[in-house]
Amino acid sequence: DAKTTQPTSMDCAEGRAANLPCNHSTISGNEYVYWYRQIHSQGPQYIIHGLKNNETNEMASLIITEDRKSSTLILPHATLRDTAVYYCIVPKRSGGYQKVTFGTGTKLQVIP
Amino acid sequence: DTAVSQTPKYLVTQMGNDKSIKCEQNLGHDTMYWYKQDSKKFLKIMFSYNNKELIINETVPNRFSPKSPDKAHLNLHINSLELGDSAVYFCASSQRTVSNEKLFFGSGTQLSVL
Repeated sequence: DAKTTQPTSMDCAEGRAANLPCNHSTISGNEYVYWYRQIHSQGPQYIIHGLKNNETNEMASLIITEDRKSSTLILPHATLRDTAVYYCIVPKRSGGYQKVTFGTGTKLQVIP
Repeated sequence: DTAVSQTPKYLVTQMGNDKSIKCEQNLGHDTMYWYKQDSKKFLKIMFSYNNKELIINETVPNRFSPKSPDKAHLNLHINSLELGDSAVYFCASSQRTVSNEKLFFGSGTQLSVL
């Protein structure tokens, strides 16, 4: 897998934007960046993914740098329910199949 | 309806026993996975099946045997349970594509081996 590097933990005030960075300097030209999160005791949840253009959906925005070596997940108005571990992943593809490997992620604490 | 459902949610058993965890998805996906999350919260892929065919098999002890009777089901059977098997096991599914292969996870099965 293209290795990803994320900060171990971050705090964000409730109502403010949470910006979670990820470095993926070894990413290949056709590899996507995916973001998932895991709220305590639940299964991981897909958030967003992108190739090279910025993406936005109802949960978050994804900003990918022009050289694609890093990206930032933005939660525009963080709530207490956004407290979770956030994973930045670049799945490896082999034989047409993807392998999604989770790292240690960023533990986001939203503070009242 | 729950998209990816696992049973049981909790499983407490003695060392040496054999147990199974079941997973079903109603999303029409063709690929299913088993992940293990240990006490340190590290989430590790174990197996993946595509249309009932094993495509990913990580270095998992052969006491673990996945079985996929059809593409909507992927069960995990564990023989001779050991203390180190205690963990949360997550099932997931996805639809194989080049550009949009999102994983959908179940709510997990917490296995405790005593």
